[in-house]
Amino acid sequence: NAGVTQTPKFRILKIGQSMTLQCAQDMNHNYMYWYRQDPGMGLKLIYYSVGAGITDKGEVPNGYNVSRSTTEDFPLRLELAAPSQTSVYFCASSRGQIYGYTFGSGTRLTVV
Amino acid sequence: DAKTTQPTSMDCAEGRAANLPCNHSTISGNEYVYWYRQIHSQGPQYIIHGLKNNETNEMASLIITEDRKSSTLILPHATLRDTAVYYCIVRVASQGGKLIFGQGTELSVKP
Repeated sequence: NAGVTQTPKFRILKIGQSMTLQCAQDMNHNYMYWYRQDPGMGLKLIYYSVGAGITDKGEVPNGYNVSRSTTEDFPLRLELAAPSQTSVYFCASSRGQIYGYTFGSGTRLTVV
Repeated sequence: DAKTTQPTSMDCAEGRAANLPCNHSTISGNEYVYWYRQIHSQGPQYIIHGLKNNETNEMASLIITEDRKSSTLILPHATLRDTAVYYCIVRVASQGGKLIFGQGTELSVKP
């Protein structure tokens, strides 16, 4: 059972480039989340989804987009990367609103 | 904003119990208290959660006061591998049950 898989693990982008961070889970969880964590800080919620076809904004959605076409996948799209998006990105999934999250191992993104 | 208050850092001797406090004085009746920890820059790890009653699992115990305004996470026999940042989180009942992380408590377990 792989859990939550994030790819890539590391990436360097140039300012203005775009990329998609991939997140896949094999636990048939309906709820999925994207967080970012800046150095020395707690996690900030970017977007979340309560099921295929349903997404909503979190605390810091600007500069990002998401889609949820299947239960398993929840990609995060960065358009026009900026240095302020340098961070570690974590994807998580949950069986429901009162269940614990399972987190992926993260993607470390640097924008130069 | 996070609805919890935790000490910034704590130390604990190896083999002793680690007691991590958390204040959540504005918690609502249907909101759960969750604890996660993050070791280095790994993804956070779920520890335990509770609503009203005390809870125990293989990792830890959670003690919630009767008025639910505070709680304590107890690691009964702390090891060096328990050194991590511990987050106490009140889970929003709506909006996808999202978790709002605060700054957490940095626990250092010392030999």
